Amino acid sequence: DVKVTQSSRYLVKRTGEKVFLECVQDMDHENMFWYRQDPGLGLRLIYFSYDVKMKEKGDIPEGYSVSREKKERFSLILESASTNQTSMYLCGIRDRGTYEQYFGPGTRLTVT
Amino acid sequence: RKEVEQDPGPFNVPEGATVAFNCTYSNSASQSFFWYRQDCRKEPKLLMSVYSSGNEDGRFTAQLNRASQYISLLIRDSKLSDSATYLCVVNENSGYALNFGKGTSLLVTP
Repeated sequence: DVKVTQSSRYLVKRTGEKVFLECVQDMDHENMFWYRQDPGLGLRLIYFSYDVKMKEKGDIPEGYSVSREKKERFSLILESASTNQTSMYLCGIRDRGTYEQYFGPGTRLTVT
Repeated sequence: RKEVEQDPGPFNVPEGATVAFNCTYSNSASQSFFWYRQDCRKEPKLLMSVYSSGNEDGRFTAQLNRASQYISLLIRDSKLSDSATYLCVVNENSGYALNFGKGTSLLVTP
């Protein structure tokens, strides 16, 4: 079974802080992604990575950046956190052959 | 981004009932289809992939109608533990990740 872990389940940060969310997978998948999920808006793709150091913007990349220096780790960075970035952040992997996606447990971020 | 539409519900059904969810997608070039289940405050989990010929997994049956661009999920003999949000998911083939519907909420009552 695929195992995806995220660095924190709950996080509280102040406006303007730099925030790092980390995602680690154990199955050597090339494709990793970050979504955010908000009530009424569903899951929205922030960034996608299809290999080390490779990334593509998703639907809502503004205010975020990503880093993938090693295959197993994909980090989401909020350069200057704002209250509208309060959300549930979900990362995971996509199987290259089946397109099935598997998620980590999520990080519930609150920006005050 | 092309749309994936679902009835948000909630669907309230008694234990033992049969319930069906439908989902429509707008991109006729879509290639892969899935149903995910999401419990409250948890991550989405893959329930089943949807194949062109339809497929069944225990009490769950998924069907795909490419001509009408809709996907369905049928749950037979509902259990209390089936209460969750069900997400319809489509891969547009040219996209980098899956396109998720906003989900249909199911509540199974005793």
